[in-house]
Amino acid sequence: EVQLQESGPGLVKPSQSLSLTCSVTGYSITSNYWGWIRKFPGNKMEWMGYISYSGSTSYNPSLKSRISITRDTSKNQFFLQLNSVTTEDTATYYCARYKRTGRPYYFDYWGQGVMVTVSS
Amino acid sequence: VQMTQSPSYLAASPGESVSISCKASKSISNNLAWYQEKPGKANKLLIHSGSTLQSGTPSRFSGSGSGTDFTLTIRSLESEDFAVYYCQQYNEYPPYTFGAGTKLELK
Repeated sequence: EVQLQESGPGLVKPSQSLSLTCSVTGYSITSNYWGWIRKFPGNKMEWMGYISYSGSTSYNPSLKSRISITRDTSKNQFFLQLNSVTTEDTATYYCARYKRTGRPYYFDYWGQGVMVTVSS
Repeated sequence: VQMTQSPSYLAASPGESVSISCKASKSISNNLAWYQEKPGKANKLLIHSGSTLQSGTPSRFSGSGSGTDFTLTIRSLESEDFAVYYCQQYNEYPPYTFGAGTKLELK
């Protein structure tokens, strides 16, 4: 069974970088596309970006200057780094797998999410 | 593409039927997915392509619509259906965009 698990610090100081790991079991990240999504307090969901089976990436234009998604295929993990965070980056962060349709369209497996608070 | 989902909250009883609306700011063909969110569980893909049930989705769920107007209908509500529901468009990306969510509560 495909499982995704987010991990990382629950508290980050303003202006610092937020770094999260998504550990995947039951499926290789060298197949499909893999995404990061966040949900703000109040339930607004925002797509952040994805990394493909080949390592190419796509990012939300609203985050493009601050975000980086990378991977370690040997550990079957992919990572989110968000720089220069502010309190507005406080959210629950999810990693997810795009369903294999040839193109990255929608997500068929999600992690349970990790809450990150940005506060001094 | 902006996605407007309504209502934000919906109260219903088991056995009833409910509908949730998702409207796109421009035509997205049928490139819409619906998800279910429950506390402590991973989000679940219910429907894609506007009306295609994902494997494992109970048949009491249905999706309809194309273009700009979409509806998720749940017939004969069961206790496990009380959750938050989101729509997501994938016609134009980046970015993919989501509706604001509908919380379905027990009346």
